[in-house]
Amino acid sequence: KNQVEQSPQSLIILEGKNCTLQCNYTVSPFSNLRWYKQDTGRGPVSLTIMTFSENTKSNGRYTATLDADTKQSSLHITASQLSDSASYICVVNGGNQFYFGTGTSLTVIP
Amino acid sequence: GAVVSQHPSRVICKSGTSVKIECRSLDFQATTMFWYRQFPKQSLMLMATSNEGSKATYEQGVEKDKFLINHASLTLSTLTVTSAHPEDSSFYICSAAGTANTEAFFGQGTRLTVV
Repeated sequence: KNQVEQSPQSLIILEGKNCTLQCNYTVSPFSNLRWYKQDTGRGPVSLTIMTFSENTKSNGRYTATLDADTKQSSLHITASQLSDSASYICVVNGGNQFYFGTGTSLTVIP
Repeated sequence: GAVVSQHPSRVICKSGTSVKIECRSLDFQATTMFWYRQFPKQSLMLMATSNEGSKATYEQGVEKDKFLINHASLTLSTLTVTSAHPEDSSFYICSAAGTANTEAFFGQGTRLTVV
């Protein structure tokens, strides 16, 4: 069964600290993996896209990694800011289908 | 990146009435559109998938007669919530994928409140 699992479900960190969100998937075949950020009451916005051959990709303070062998991805946020408080969703595309993770709710506190 | 516009962003309606939400792809042809609902502090729940010109495929537990989806063109899909009830109050989001179907672009979402 094609699934995408994210952990942790929720996370609270102090402003300025780093954090890492995890995404494990069983989707096959695999086309790409995207991380989205969703602010409360808004639609998700894409942060990064990873294809099979890519291991690491950065977008400012966001760095995504992909291990296609173990089918794991992570999103690392550096020097967190209050505006990073949001839900982060991992979406795997494979076989012309999109599979969504349940998301990680991140709260950054001052 | 591609732009998907969703309208309205907020709507309040009375119980028993119907509400239509539009989802438009502004700069690409969306062969597939997805509709989601999201309850507070929960993740997106896929309601249905629609391909242009054909009937939508609904997820288990989603009433197709209550949530009418039309995808008549490559740039527009609509979701109509019929005979709305307070429990239909939720955040509805659409996403659209182009011909290559390798990326989904999301709309801004619609906050529906049924009173």
